[in-house]
Amino acid sequence: DSGVTQTPKHLITATGQRVTLRCSPRSGDLSVYWYQQSLDQGLQFLIQYYNGEERAKGNILERFSAQQFPDLHSELNLSSLELGDSALYFCASSRGGGSEKLFFGSGTQLSVL
Amino acid sequence: AQKVTQAQTEISVVEKEDVTLDCVYETRDTTYYLFWYKQPPSGELVFLIRRNSFDEQNEISGRYSWNFQKSTSSFNFTITASQVVDSAVYFCALSDPSDNNNAGNMLTFGGGTRLMVKP
Repeated sequence: DSGVTQTPKHLITATGQRVTLRCSPRSGDLSVYWYQQSLDQGLQFLIQYYNGEERAKGNILERFSAQQFPDLHSELNLSSLELGDSALYFCASSRGGGSEKLFFGSGTQLSVL
Repeated sequence: AQKVTQAQTEISVVEKEDVTLDCVYETRDTTYYLFWYKQPPSGELVFLIRRNSFDEQNEISGRYSWNFQKSTSSFNFTITASQVVDSAVYFCALSDPSDNNNAGNMLTFGGGTRLMVKP
């Protein structure tokens, strides 16, 4: 158990809808990361937050947004969903904001029908 | 831009065989970090090792060993006497701090190598 909690584990929704994925980092970790894993794109970095502030941004679509709250949990919002957004979304955390090892959650499997 | 290549998409071995997973990376910077992660069938990603670009010493941890060669931009992973429990997808990843003004930690992952260890 990595100590990173993601909910829900599975999400099935329709095109055009909006969903929210939630992540609680390990106790004491200040950074939260979001990654997308799909068959065609592999593992792609989306975004990193450190202590409530956006720290690094990857290939995150404009339809996607994230935030980190004062209690350090994070939410990833996906809107106007398309079939191609179906993927496994991972949250990870680390103590600091630099090139440290990441602790990954078990992921949220999103299916857009 | 950073790039990580794992040319072996799938490897199948019989238990107790040794197996090496290849990883080749590209980066423009002299300071960077390399990682290996394991993704077992259960799906979560598990950290195995982190190595910085200034430390070229090979590392051994039990049946696992890593060979870092800066001259060939490779960071290969060897499992000695493989076991069925080693069956998983293994990812090599690169973090280049300069890509985010030395502030962030964006990992670039390779495509992964699926290792199947048969009894």
